[in-house]
Amino acid sequence: AQSVTQPDIHITVSEGASLELRCNYSYGATPYLFWYVQSPGQGLQLLLKYFSGDTLVQGIKGFEAEFKRSQSSFNLRKPSVHWSDAAEYFCAVGAGGGSQGNLIFGKGTKLSVKP
Amino acid sequence: DGGITQSPKYLFRKEGQNVTLSCEQNLNHDAMYWYRQDPGQGLRLIYYSQIVNDFQKGDIAEGYSVSREKKESFPLTVTSAQKNPTAFYLCASSRGGASGANVLTFGAGSRLTVL
Repeated sequence: AQSVTQPDIHITVSEGASLELRCNYSYGATPYLFWYVQSPGQGLQLLLKYFSGDTLVQGIKGFEAEFKRSQSSFNLRKPSVHWSDAAEYFCAVGAGGGSQGNLIFGKGTKLSVKP
Repeated sequence: DGGITQSPKYLFRKEGQNVTLSCEQNLNHDAMYWYRQDPGQGLRLIYYSQIVNDFQKGDIAEGYSVSREKKESFPLTVTSAQKNPTAFYLCASSRGGASGANVLTFGAGSRLTVL
């Protein structure tokens, strides 16, 4: 069965520092991978997605992610974090076939930013 | 601008009452979804619909019901059979398809509290 693991429940970084949020997936075929961000009490917003091609994908708000098939990972990175990046981040894998295209989400990583 | 509207934003329910959460989209998307979000649990799929007049159960459908009479609308009813309904509910939509390459657009969510 498909699954997504985000090993870090909560991460705190200083403003201006670099950020890497980890995501590991389990999926038999070529995965469709997503990162979403959620501000408190709000819906989710798509940051970036990987469907095929270049394994380094660029997203909104200065975020990027790298697909590494050998490690079954899709880690999210940002070179310099801003206070407004404080939010919860969700990694997801697109489940085709019998799941009719639904997304399977990780449990999320909450990011806090220190001034 | 196109988007998804969920209402109400906040809802309080007494035990034993059914409540209905509204979800309307003007994105001309074929597929619509309902997710439940609890702290530390990520997003869990309740129901989804790939086409009008058809819907399927997700991972946690017990105690919930839906209808899809119009392409734009996908209301969720939380019935008295749902043992622990207090949660944040998110509606989403996508162009649909079974491949897994589905970009979901989310509403702002509805928070249900059982008194």
